[in-house]
Amino acid sequence: ELKVEQNPLFLSMQEGKNYTIYCNYSTTSDRLYWYRQDPGKSLESLFVLLSNGAVKQEGRLMASLDTKARLSTLHITAAVHDLSATYFCAPQTRYSGGGADGLTFGKGTHLIIQP
Amino acid sequence: DSGVTQTPKHLITATGQRVTLRCSPRSGDLSVYWYQQSLDQGLQFLIQYYNGEERAKGNILERFSAQQFPDLHSELNLSSLELGDSALYFCASSQELDRSPLHFGNGTRLTVT
Repeated sequence: ELKVEQNPLFLSMQEGKNYTIYCNYSTTSDRLYWYRQDPGKSLESLFVLLSNGAVKQEGRLMASLDTKARLSTLHITAAVHDLSATYFCAPQTRYSGGGADGLTFGKGTHLIIQP
Repeated sequence: DSGVTQTPKHLITATGQRVTLRCSPRSGDLSVYWYQQSLDQGLQFLIQYYNGEERAKGNILERFSAQQFPDLHSELNLSSLELGDSALYFCASSQELDRSPLHFGNGTRLTVT
């Protein structure tokens, strides 16, 4: 069964600082998604990383994937308050119940950015 | 707006009762997924349907069942409800089986008292 570990699970940081969220997963996966969730809201897709070495950037967020290390990172540059949210990584793999592939989510990183 | 519609938004019911959650996928999406989100367990995959057929099962209790209808909407039935079933239930849809991002609905907040 695929295990997905994110760390840290909780992060409080100041505006203007840089930080990285790490996502480790236990079995082979050839694609990985990052999602954002605001409190009480739905999940919004941020990035899909399709291959080893893939890097995607959107504004102050940059995600990367190392399939050999089974590691993805989400880097925040010069954080601003609007980035406060919970971030989930989700590698795609076959569900343990068999059948189709799907996403298994980490527990999420709750990010608070203070002015 | 993801295009995935879930109803109702909120549901409050008593232990032992049965409820039905409804999901309409994005136009053109054939695959529907159900997830349960709680503080202690995080986002747990429950079940997936593709074009009316069950394709994958996750940590879904025997008291829970789902189906996808010919018009592609899906329903999640929760019976003999317990306090621990209180959670946010998300439906997500995707265009192709296996190879598309998931688009999530706004969820149904279930409170069992």
